[in-house]
Amino acid sequence: QKEVEQDPGPLSVPEGAIVSLNCTYSNSAFQYFMWYRQYSRKGPELLMYTYSSGNKEDGRFTAQVDKSSKYISLFIRDSQPSDSATYLCAMTGGNKLVFGAGTILRVKS
Amino acid sequence: GAGVSQSPSNKVTEKGKDVELRCDPISGHTALYWYRQSLGQGLEFLIYFQGNSAPDKSGLPSDRFSAERTGGSVSTLTIQRTQQEDSAVYLCASSQGGLAPNGYTFGSGTRLTVV
Repeated sequence: QKEVEQDPGPLSVPEGAIVSLNCTYSNSAFQYFMWYRQYSRKGPELLMYTYSSGNKEDGRFTAQVDKSSKYISLFIRDSQPSDSATYLCAMTGGNKLVFGAGTILRVKS
Repeated sequence: GAGVSQSPSNKVTEKGKDVELRCDPISGHTALYWYRQSLGQGLEFLIYFQGNSAPDKSGLPSDRFSAERTGGSVSTLTIQRTQQEDSAVYLCASSQGGLAPNGYTFGSGTRLTVV
């Protein structure tokens, strides 16, 4: 079993929809939880990170962490075609980041 | 430069040949990471350098893989006797170190194809 599980999708939604992306994990030592966005043929770029449990909001994006369930989510409100990308969750408790497989998101106009 | 620079951006090599991939981190970043991204597999940790400390090589998949970082700056990932399963995108990232992830910056990667 992988340390971090993420449904690869693809997830296809109409423009303006609310998108929910999720990851589960098994290592209780993880402390920082991140979401990266990766466009085709580019490196991942950090969208948001949270420390421990709770919610964090940044514009149209909200990240949630539930450490008791070992479950993290990213919500995108009013999704736009420019949000079409691969979204990777990542987490760390030490020197390295452990990534999920990434979810391909397509927002149709 | 302003970001992490990787070269070449694409590399096609014949099975059995050696390849070298280069990473120029952000100036002043003490930590440097190599990851491998295969289709549908997410990013797989390979190796981590922090300042003058011994590197964490725990992610290197076999002894055909090695990496060095000269002068605490540029890093080279070398794959000897390449195999088809080595085909992937190799990503480099740098940071100022420590646990907080906000300083991780990735390059655009080197797309390696072994034929």
